[in-house]
Amino acid sequence: KAGVTQTPRYLIKTRGQQVTLSCSPISGHRSVSWYQQTPGQGLQFLFEYFSETQRNKGNFPGRFSGRQFSNSRSEMNVSTLELGDSALYLCASTLLAGGPGAKNIQYFGAGTRLSVL
Amino acid sequence: AQSVSQHNHHVILSEAASLELGCNYSYGGTVNLFWYVQYPGQHLQLLLKYFSGDPLVKGIKGFEAEFIKSKFSFNLRKPSVQWSDTAEYFCAVKGAAGNKLTFGGGTRVLVKP
Repeated sequence: KAGVTQTPRYLIKTRGQQVTLSCSPISGHRSVSWYQQTPGQGLQFLFEYFSETQRNKGNFPGRFSGRQFSNSRSEMNVSTLELGDSALYLCASTLLAGGPGAKNIQYFGAGTRLSVL
Repeated sequence: AQSVSQHNHHVILSEAASLELGCNYSYGGTVNLFWYVQYPGQHLQLLLKYFSGDPLVKGIKGFEAEFIKSKFSFNLRKPSVQWSDTAEYFCAVKGAAGNKLTFGGGTRVLVKP
């Protein structure tokens, strides 16, 4: 079974531009979460989608947005890029909706490394 | 808000030494606990998980972790490390809200051959 696939693997953008990252979850998985990984802040939760609906959102500005399609694939978008947005963006997929008592495991993709110049 | 604290940022040890990485979390409700590992150049992989039941859980590659509810801790252990255990280790907590994971800051482990 194929794992979580993120594209592209590397991106270089300049300040002020916007970027779209893509994530294909493991086949059959319906929940997709996004995380930002930086040396200074570590791994921080961006948002989670389940059945095309955003269920959770982390503490990031509105420049960060996402969506999920009917096939569970997800995209995240960052508009008006800033230098501080340079990071590894990780996508994780989970089979079920989660919540209290749920025994779900998140499987991570290799990430998209974004460099903002 | 939940938070996760990993006590050591860097650990250096020799092969065959024992490893213990500390993890404490702050959360008032029922939690699921995880340890993930990130080998150099690779993606995050699950080492082990705790959902309920026996507080001592075993994972892959000889790792184990103990959940101590009274101390809000979930420490990772390995009796004898190998050079291939060089990696960054992350403790994570999932609370009641969906599948959101809150991660600790990570511990970089370097095992000298």
